[in-house]
Amino acid sequence: DVKVTQSSRYLVKRTGEKVFLECVQDMDHENMFWYRQDPGLGLRLIYFSYDVKMKEKGDIPEGYSVSREKKERFSLILESASTNQTSMYLCASSRQDSNQPQHFGDGTRLSIL
Amino acid sequence: RKEVEQDPGPFNVPEGATVAFNCTYSNSASQSFFWYRQDCRKEPKLLMSVYSSGNEDGRFTAQLNRASQYISLLIRDSKLSDSATYLCVVNSLGTGGFKTIFGAGTRLFVKA
Repeated sequence: DVKVTQSSRYLVKRTGEKVFLECVQDMDHENMFWYRQDPGLGLRLIYFSYDVKMKEKGDIPEGYSVSREKKERFSLILESASTNQTSMYLCASSRQDSNQPQHFGDGTRLSIL
Repeated sequence: RKEVEQDPGPFNVPEGATVAFNCTYSNSASQSFFWYRQDCRKEPKLLMSVYSSGNEDGRFTAQLNRASQYISLLIRDSKLSDSATYLCVVNSLGTGGFKTIFGAGTRLFVKA
């Protein structure tokens, strides 16, 4: 079974803090993704990566950055957290083949006060 | 027009009922299709892939109609535990590379 592990289930931070969300997958997947999910808005793609040290902007990259130094790890960084970044953050991974599904971590519920 | 559209519901059905969800997609170059299930405050989990010939997994049947650009999910003999949001997912190859689009989801409530 694919295992995607996110570092925290719940996180509370203050505005202006730099926040790191970590994601690790154990299936040697090439692709990794970061989404946020808000009520009524569905899943929105923040950033994704097709390979080590490679990153691509998704639909809502503003206020975020990412790092992929190793194949199994994809980090999401909130450079200066703001209250509108309070959300559920979901990491996913998949094989390179576009016919493969994505597998999600448990999610991190982040609150910015 | 959204790239992937689903009826948001909610669908309220009694136990034992048969319920069907449809999902339409706009990109005719879409290559692969999936249904995910998401429980409240949990992550989406892959329910099943959707194959061109249609496929079945127990009480669940998925079908693809490329000509009309829609996929469907049929749930037979609904259980209380089927209550969840069902997400339609489409993978497409475009000029910018491959892209995964998630539908907004259809909520299902199964009642005793």
